[in-house]
Amino acid sequence: NAGVMQNPRHLVRRRGQEARLRCSPMKGHSHVYWYRQLPEEGLKFMVYLQKENIIDESGMPKERFSAEFPKEGPSILRIQQVVRGDSAAYFCAIARDHEQFFGPGTRLTVL
Amino acid sequence: DAKTTQPNSMESNEEEPVHLPCNHSTISGTDYIHWYRQLPSQGPEYVIHGLTSNVNNRMASLAIAEDRKSSTLILHRATLRDAAVYYCILRERGDKLTFGTGTRLAVRP
Repeated sequence: NAGVMQNPRHLVRRRGQEARLRCSPMKGHSHVYWYRQLPEEGLKFMVYLQKENIIDESGMPKERFSAEFPKEGPSILRIQQVVRGDSAAYFCAIARDHEQFFGPGTRLTVL
Repeated sequence: DAKTTQPNSMESNEEEPVHLPCNHSTISGTDYIHWYRQLPSQGPEYVIHGLTSNVNNRMASLAIAEDRKSSTLILHRATLRDAAVYYCILRERGDKLTFGTGTRLAVRP
């Protein structure tokens, strides 16, 4: 996981609150992928971002979810008005050549 | 992305070789075959990838069938630290990854 930091590692929210997940790729990487992993399932692609630009958001739920990667600072995945079904592990990744390098993930629990 | 089919689970004894199969009968000519693994409570980790020829690296070997409709990931000597979910993924260069449910490998001491 070297080169991709995510925080927090664990996040607990009550239904209706907002969740903000942060991803900081190593210097020099201006693209990030976000994936979601529901319990006992494989990872599902959500969104692919370049700094200040969304390249592919085909995997993002239509409501309550948004993502950004500003010119300065980390990429943010924002979930508004969380529901129990949002409980999952959220991973971000960078790409280099043929490989994707994943962060350690943020485990979101919605009570 | 083309689909892959893997067994849900496999078991191996420590220090023995492990062959993890993957079927991808609808693979296209430009799809690379990638393998990732996910250890418990961690993000996925790249293992190996190939296009047509067999590949070796420090972690594993990848054997690709001549017609490319199947491949096998080979761990030459399984250790307890190799217990993980192994994902076989078809991917065009630079594209997002599409994960299936993978093969859960258990390693017996």
